[in-house]
Amino acid sequence: DTGVSQNPRHKITKRGQNVTFRCDPISEHNRLYWYRQTLGQGPEFLTYFQNEAQLEKSRLLSDRFSAERPKGSFSTLEIQRTEQGDSAMYLCASSGGAGGSTDTQYFGPGTRLTVL
Amino acid sequence: KNEVEQSPQNLTAQEGEFITINCSYSVGISALHWLQQHPGGGIVSLFMLSSGKKKHGRLIATINIQEKHSSLHITASHPRDSAVYICAVSSTGNQFYFGTGTSLTVIP
Repeated sequence: DTGVSQNPRHKITKRGQNVTFRCDPISEHNRLYWYRQTLGQGPEFLTYFQNEAQLEKSRLLSDRFSAERPKGSFSTLEIQRTEQGDSAMYLCASSGGAGGSTDTQYFGPGTRLTVL
Repeated sequence: KNEVEQSPQNLTAQEGEFITINCSYSVGISALHWLQQHPGGGIVSLFMLSSGKKKHGRLIATINIQEKHSSLHITASHPRDSAVYICAVSSTGNQFYFGTGTSLTVIP
């Protein structure tokens, strides 16, 4: 399978704990995006990388959230001191080519986080 | 006010009907995306367009840049088309905005 993969698929944690999610994009894609989706809502943009550089961050991304893409391949999204409001589906997408933000994005299956 | 508005929020159609989902946006865009999300949560990109019209099978997407409006049409709808359809835009400010989605149910 050469699509976007995310791990874990599900994560249940207690409030106050730290969690880390991983995204493996399509191998030749240089752009990687993180989104969050709560029940009944459309996805919300969190941040994106071009290669290893984090180019844009949403104001939704509080200082408890940090994302990295150290070698320009896989990316991690860490949430520190989780809160119940962090419960959501965290989606990763990747895109490639020279079109930049106009390239088609390919989505992973998501990681569903539940904070108790 | 959301940067991307979709209508209708919910849509029920009989199999075979022609379906239209509308999307309006208020920001300058570099591209508009139509996405399909199935009950399991997986998202598939259907179209990415910045002008004109695109067609893929029974799906047609159009965009009017001057009016800041796009439509997704499904011809000869089928129960397997039942899903949430999401409109999203890549803004010229390198942000991404999503509509809340249109939940489509096609009844046999």
